[in-house]
Order: sequence, then C-alpha cells, then structure tokens
Amino acid sequence: EDQVTQSPEALRLQEGESSSLNCSYTVSGLRGLFWYRQDPGKGPEFLFTLYSAGEEKEKERLKATLTKKESFLHITAPKPEDSATYLCAVQGLTNAGKSTFGDGTTLTVKP
Amino acid sequence: EAGVTQSPTHLIKTRGQQATLRCSPISGHTSVYWYQQALGLGLQFLLWYDEGEERNRGNFPPRFSGRQFPNYSSELNVNALELEDSALYLCASSLVQASNEKLFFGSGTQLSVL
Repeated sequence: EDQVTQSPEALRLQEGESSSLNCSYTVSGLRGLFWYRQDPGKGPEFLFTLYSAGEEKEKERLKATLTKKESFLHITAPKPEDSATYLCAVQGLTNAGKSTFGDGTTLTVKP
Repeated sequence: EAGVTQSPTHLIKTRGQQATLRCSPISGHTSVYWYQQALGLGLQFLLWYDEGEERNRGNFPPRFSGRQFPNYSSELNVNALELEDSALYLCASSLVQASNEKLFFGSGTQLSVL
C-alpha cells in the first residue's frame, strides 16, 4: 500500500528565514508526486508535479525536488502570505485514480 | 473560468440520516474524485468517476456511494450516517487524458453528524 509521511507537522519561520519541508514516500511504481497548498477553509491548490528522481520544479519562492524515497519543498525567503498547509501526494502505477496524501506540514511565517 | 463548485457548503445531519453532496467539475474535465478530510487526518480517497462510470473506490463501506451524470457533475451519498462521518468532503476534477493527473479541488462540504 502506498504511504506518504510529511515532516515536520508544523513549522514556524520568521519572514525571510529559508527552510525545507520533507515528504517521504513508498509507492509501487511512481506515476507522479504532487505538492499542494491548502489554506484554511479551502480545498488544496496544485503547486507541482514531479515524475522521476533528480527532477526539480520552481515557482516564485518555492522549489520542489525528488529522490527515489523522498521529496523536499524548499521555501526561500518566505513571506507571511506563504503561511498555509503544504500537502504531498503520490500516485502509483497501480490503483488508478487514487492519490495518497500525507497529513501535511502547517507553515506559519511571522513578519 | 469557473473552478470546481460544491454544494452545500455546510450540512448538518443526525445519526442514521442520509446526506447528499454535489459537485460540478471544471468545464471540459471528465473525471471527478471524492476525498474525505477528517479533523487532524489527511485526505482519504473515496471514489473516482470518469465518463459516468465508477473507476475506483477507497477503503470505505458501501454506504458511501455516488454517481456521475452525463454533464460530468457528481453527487456523493452517505447513508446511515455515523458520528465519525463528520468531516470535510472535497471534490476534485481532472483532465484524465492528461499525462499528469493533477487535481483541481473545490472548497468542500463540511458535514457535521450530531
């Protein structure tokens, strides 16, 4: 069964203080690894898809990387508006249509 | 372009009742997914519909069911409600033909079972 573990559960940063969020996964053949952002009272919003080890994607202050066992979401010089819960999910080659999500990392950026 | 819309926003039921939740996908999307997000837990996969057919379901009892209509909208039915069914129910849609099945989520229906 596919599994996703995210750490830390919560992360508090000062504005401008860079850090990384971790997503460890086990999957029976990786179809894709996804990062989403979820704000309170809203559904998750898509950020990145990564397909193979060594791949990297960037968007503004966020950069996602992938190895065979984990993914990192690097946040450079975060701003208060980056505060949200960040979710990692995997889709395996079996069990079509199912995304397995981690419990998320809640990021708080203080001004 | 309108995103994924869900109704109602909030729903309050009592134990044993039935709940019906509705979802309209993004125009052009044929796949609809349902997820349960209970307090303190991650998103749990419930159901996947595509082209009117149920394609996959998660580890939930049969009292969780649904359907997809010809216009690709979907409804989720939960029968014989239990207290632990209280959760945020999220609907998502995707272009299943796309090589990456990123999901576009609605804002969810908050179901409270009293």
